[in-house]
Amino acid sequence: AQRVTQPEKLLSVFKGAPVELKCNYSYSGSPELFWYVQYSRQRLQLLLRHISRESIKGFTADLNKGETSFHLKKPFAQEEDSAMYYCALIWGSNYKLTFGKGTLLTVNP
Amino acid sequence: NAGVTQTPKFQVLKTGQSMTLQCAQDMNHEYMSWYRQDPGMGLRLIHYSVGAGITDQGEVPNGYNVSRSTTEDFPLRLLSAAPSQTSVYFCASRIKWTGNTEAFFGQGTRLTVV
Repeated sequence: AQRVTQPEKLLSVFKGAPVELKCNYSYSGSPELFWYVQYSRQRLQLLLRHISRESIKGFTADLNKGETSFHLKKPFAQEEDSAMYYCALIWGSNYKLTFGKGTLLTVNP
Repeated sequence: NAGVTQTPKFQVLKTGQSMTLQCAQDMNHEYMSWYRQDPGMGLRLIHYSVGAGITDQGEVPNGYNVSRSTTEDFPLRLLSAAPSQTSVYFCASRIKWTGNTEAFFGQGTRLTVV
């Protein structure tokens, strides 16, 4: 069963518009959730994690246990935000890191 | 620190050939793992290791072997390459296998099996 669901494969917005990348998870324990980003021709890197409750590059994500969601938001998208975004979950006794299928964000000028 | 280093960056294999993808990290991380990245499938866990001498299977382990004789190295072996193994492979490491820890990734190996 898929533990992390990202319903949008592709998301296209205009510069300056708000953006929300959706992520839902399935895990009965206490979730440890992350957003990773892969810019073109670069390696995956951590964007933010729920436990830190931080804002990185203007992005925030709030854990909603009732809706089992961890959506990524930014009020004003920039062209440099264009990238592949992965939601990820650490789960199980061996703390496996599982990724969603990813959302390709394109910010148009 | 170099971080996580993968070699080679690109490889073309013929069906049935074997090869080893190398992964090394210089951060003294306990946890290492291999993923494959395919269009529309995201990253899928192949094998992982929580420390030297300890390995376990992920979601898609068939056709791959791993070993962890040292903390630094975690090679991935393709026993008999198949076209279905054409993919981009990523190695990742985390400082500890428990808890909320950041994963650091290599730059990837693009493998084509013909």
